[in-house]
Amino acid sequence: GENVEQHPSTLSVQEGDSAVIKCTYSDSASNYFPWYKQELGKGPQLIIDIRSNVGEKKDQRIAVTLNKTAKHFSLHITETQPEDSAVYFCAATRGDSNYQLIWGAGTKLIIKP
Amino acid sequence: DAGVTQSPTHLIKTRGQQVTLRCSPKSGHDTVSWYQQALGQGPQFIFQYYEEEERQRGNFPDRFSGHQFPNYSSELNVNALLLGDSALYLCASSLLGGQGLYGYTFGSGTRLTVV
Repeated sequence: GENVEQHPSTLSVQEGDSAVIKCTYSDSASNYFPWYKQELGKGPQLIIDIRSNVGEKKDQRIAVTLNKTAKHFSLHITETQPEDSAVYFCAATRGDSNYQLIWGAGTKLIIKP
Repeated sequence: DAGVTQSPTHLIKTRGQQVTLRCSPKSGHDTVSWYQQALGQGPQFIFQYYEEEERQRGNFPDRFSGHQFPNYSSELNVNALLLGDSALYLCASSLLGGQGLYGYTFGSGTRLTVV
């Protein structure tokens, strides 16, 4: 069935450095790719998203890139700060459905002071 | 502007019992989706409600059922609880009418423990 693979499962970076998290999806009909940040005891919070007709999107220190041919999309965080420490999830729509997201397993990002 | 509100925040039930979880969507939203998140994993889609009807369902057994009320709030019911139902249950609201999944807002979840 459809799935989303996310790597790495844990990422530790020095404060101020950049962090990159990568995801691969299987369903070529997927057309929407959000990224969520989940802090301990809280629900996921949307931080950035991209649609299949766009290759890159940037919002301040956060950017997402999409390669539809390779079915890869990545999250880039620059100038990391301690408050960036959290679990990050990528997701993709099940086909072109407006109803379902298929999620990656998550990446625990640790920012070292 | 209140976000998505879920209740209760924590719940402990015994195997075989039934449980009801509640969700109030963000003001202005009309669609509610429910997800199950096991420890250390990504959320799994259970189902979505719009106009008081179940629009789509994930790969969950019939023990999982739901309801949406005229004020857009929603309930998730789980019957005959199993130990494996222990998880964080997340409610997400959004505004349909062309938006679909865009603008998903999650609540903080209900932590269900089955003993």
